[in-house]
Amino acid sequence: DAGVIQSPRHEVTEMGQEVTLRCKPISGHDYLFWYRQTMMRGLELLIYFNNNVPIDDSGMPEDRFSAKMPNASFSTLKIQPSEPRDSAVYFCASSLSKGQRPQHFGDGTRLSIL
Amino acid sequence: GENVEQHPSTLSVQEGDSAVIKCTYSDSASNYFPWYKQELGKRPQLIIDIRSNVGEKKDQRIAVTLNKTAKHFSLHITETQPEDSAVYFCAASLGDKFYFGSGTKLNVKP
Repeated sequence: DAGVIQSPRHEVTEMGQEVTLRCKPISGHDYLFWYRQTMMRGLELLIYFNNNVPIDDSGMPEDRFSAKMPNASFSTLKIQPSEPRDSAVYFCASSLSKGQRPQHFGDGTRLSIL
Repeated sequence: GENVEQHPSTLSVQEGDSAVIKCTYSDSASNYFPWYKQELGKRPQLIIDIRSNVGEKKDQRIAVTLNKTAKHFSLHITETQPEDSAVYFCAASLGDKFYFGSGTKLNVKP
């Protein structure tokens, strides 16, 4: 299995630009999670989906952030407009719902907003 | 929701010594406790996990213990090696969500 695949690995852009992060979960996993990691705040859960449906988006910091999951194998996290304080590493993770199962993380997207 | 606290924030040991990282959680309904290792610039990777009906689990040099009454769980690494140097995160699963500790930076000195 290829694991959770995220793209791009690195993104550098100027403030005000739209940023789109992409994630492909592990095949067969029905939960998908988006996290943001910074030194100051650690790992923060932004939003998660079950069977492509958003379940809890209470961690999304502002209306500038949005996430979609149009099908079981693809999700996007969009920031528009981006701001320097959005600079962080964004991780996508997926898991199986049955029983107590671990989340498997992608390699992350390192986002820098100038 | 759940609140997970992790200690210490940094830990420095000599190669060959043991390392212990402790976490506490607040909600007794939490029922699954994974531990992740994150090397610099890499993704968090699962190293061991324990379910609420088990008190201890071992995998070679790594072990995890769970005390449900006290609501705390610990990671034990024996015979530490320089490649064990990383940030370690504990987590507690409540419902669909994981609640992560703030991380412990382990430094194993050769």
